[in-house]
Amino acid sequence: TQLLEQSPQFLSIQEGENLTVYCNSSSVFSSLQWYRQEPGEGPVLLVTVVTGGEVKKLKRLTFQFGDARKDSSLHITAAQPGDTGLYLCAGGSYNFNKFYFGSGTKLNVKP
Amino acid sequence: ETGVTQTPRHLVMGMTNKKSLKCEQHLGHNAMYWYKQSAKKPLELMFVYSLEERVENNSVPSRFSPECPNSSHLFLHLHTLQPEDSALYLCASSPQTENYGYTFGSGTRLTVV
Repeated sequence: TQLLEQSPQFLSIQEGENLTVYCNSSSVFSSLQWYRQEPGEGPVLLVTVVTGGEVKKLKRLTFQFGDARKDSSLHITAAQPGDTGLYLCAGGSYNFNKFYFGSGTKLNVKP
Repeated sequence: ETGVTQTPRHLVMGMTNKKSLKCEQHLGHNAMYWYKQSAKKPLELMFVYSLEERVENNSVPSRFSPECPNSSHLFLHLHTLQPEDSALYLCASSPQTENYGYTFGSGTRLTVV
């Protein structure tokens, strides 16, 4: 059983489409982070959200932390091939040994 | 350039070999980590160092041995590995162990034959 469930596991879309990926848990987190990992590279931090209901925008990416701080979503508007990669959510307390990663959503954006 | 450099990028080793993975960061971070990334599994935390002191060992087999000689360098010594140890090994650093976001290296793709 994984603490953080990400869905979908795989997503293949055409350039210009919109998409949303989800990160869900039955546990409450004090913070939640999203990373993007490209093939052959390590994950790169995109955003950290800490307040229930918080919404953060990073260009075409919109991140939301659920009101109950148990879930999060990442919405991409007008996806581009450069968005292709593995999107990982990670959540926990501000403590290294209570910080968990999800298995990720593998996104492929076709030109 | 992510600020965390890992070498080698790829490693193939036999089950009786001894090898070491190296990680280097010049971000001024005080905490460094080893993670294992296997296909279809979440990232698994292996070891945590804070100010060169090991503060976590997540039930990792003794065939993996970490070393942190200073706050900028981290090693993972490998010996008598098993094929199931084949994975991407990622090093990361953060300002403190209270996590405000990791900076990851590019990883070492390890294949045990």
